[in-house]
Amino acid sequence: KQEVTQIPAALSVPEGENLVLNCSFTDSAIYNLQWFRQDPGKGLTSLLLIQSSQREQTSGRLNASLDKSSGRSTLYIAASQPGDSATYLCAVIPTQGGSEKLVFGKGMKLTVNP
Amino acid sequence: GAVVSQHPSRVICKSGTSVKIECRSLDFQATTMFWYRQFPKKSLMLMATSNEGSKATYEQGVEKDKFLINHASLTLSTLTVTSAHPEDSSFYICSARARRTSGSEQYFGPGTRLTVT
Repeated sequence: KQEVTQIPAALSVPEGENLVLNCSFTDSAIYNLQWFRQDPGKGLTSLLLIQSSQREQTSGRLNASLDKSSGRSTLYIAASQPGDSATYLCAVIPTQGGSEKLVFGKGMKLTVNP
Repeated sequence: GAVVSQHPSRVICKSGTSVKIECRSLDFQATTMFWYRQFPKKSLMLMATSNEGSKATYEQGVEKDKFLINHASLTLSTLTVTSAHPEDSSFYICSARARRTSGSEQYFGPGTRLTVT
C-alpha cells in the first residue's frame, strides 16, 4: 500500500530564506507526483505536477524534483515571502489499482515571518 | 483554465436533513471526479471516485447510502449527505480530472464547509 510522508509537519522561517520541503513515498510505481498548496479553510491549489518520466518541474520561485527510485520529491521555494505561508501537500498517483486516486501526505504547515 | 467550482461554500443544516453539494468543472470536461473529506489539521480522505454516466466507487468504510454521488454530465458531480448528523460536519472537497490520458492533473474545488447542528 502506497504511503506518503512529509516531514516536518510544520516549519517557521524568516522571510527571504530558501526552503526545501520534503516528501517521500514507499512505492516507486507512480504515474505522477503533485505538489499542492492549501490556505486555511480553502481548497487545494495545484503548484507543480511531475510525470513519472520527468526529473523536475519549475514555476516561478518554485522548483520540484522527483527521484522515483529513492521514493523522494523535494519542493524548493526560493526567497520565501509571508504570502507563501500555507500548508503544502504532496500527493502521488500509484500505477497499481487501475484508478487515478491521489494518495496524500499529511502536509507541512509553513509560516514565513516578515 | 482548469477551474473547478463548488456550491455552496458553506452550509449549516439541522440534524436529520439532507444536503447537496455541487462540483462543477467550468472550462473543461471531467470524465472523473473525486470527493474528499478533510478533518481539522488532517490530510484529505478520499471518499469516492465518480465517473460520468456510471455508479461511483466508494472507498472502504464510506457509506454509499449516506453519501450519494451523482455524476450526470461531464461537468457536474453532486454529493448528497443524507440524514446528516453532527459527526458529518467536515470540509468536503471535490477534484476533477480532465479528459486526457492517464496520469493527468487533478484540479480541486474550493471546498464546502458543512456544519450539522
